[in-house]
Amino acid sequence: QSLVTQPLSASGTPGQRVTISCSGGSSNIGSSFVYWYQQVPGTAPRLLIYENDQRPSGVPDRFSGSKSGTSASLAISGLRSEDEADYYCATWDDSLRGLVIGGGTKLTVL
Amino acid sequence: EVQLLESGGGLVQPGGSLRLSCAASGFTFNRYIMSWVRQAPGKGLEWVTGIGGSDGHTYYADSVKGRFSISRDNSEQTVSVQMNNLRVEDTAIYYCAKGGTFHLGELSVWGQGTLVTVSS
Repeated sequence: QSLVTQPLSASGTPGQRVTISCSGGSSNIGSSFVYWYQQVPGTAPRLLIYENDQRPSGVPDRFSGSKSGTSASLAISGLRSEDEADYYCATWDDSLRGLVIGGGTKLTVL
Repeated sequence: EVQLLESGGGLVQPGGSLRLSCAASGFTFNRYIMSWVRQAPGKGLEWVTGIGGSDGHTYYADSVKGRFSISRDNSEQTVSVQMNNLRVEDTAIYYCAKGGTFHLGELSVWGQGTLVTVSS
């Protein structure tokens, strides 16, 4: 079981706004940057958000990240069918001295 | 174009060894932390190991500590992981990923992955 916890699933209809949470502790999210990855089944993961709320070039501004204390969130606005994928949060853990990745959230676009 | 190309995957018996390699191109390799991340069939992502750019400092997940060893050759722009005493639970797709200059978690480029199957 990962040190950072995500809901197993999330869903929304096209055009809606959905959020995915990521909960951790003081040794990880509370003291480190959070990263978000998108993985379409059968493909390699893609970096969506870095340093809590920054978007790499090429990532639509429909995707946004935030962090507060020991929790973080990924928000997707204007939901589109191509957003259907698995989403993972990741952060450094000072106690483990390694990267911890959440269990992943499967997003379904209804 | 920034690219990572993994090689070395395959079928190995429990207790056996395998060496994975990743060839990088399109960026100043020695400036960046490199990592291996794996994904067991039908499961989520698991970070396995990472290595610093210029300092070569290494990091390991508890699940592989003492069995896996990461290394890099900055002149050849490659990063490798030597996997010993393999277990059935090590079966996964192994991805090579480019981290940041300071932050291991900023995995901005990923390879296509190489499959490791540990089975008798």
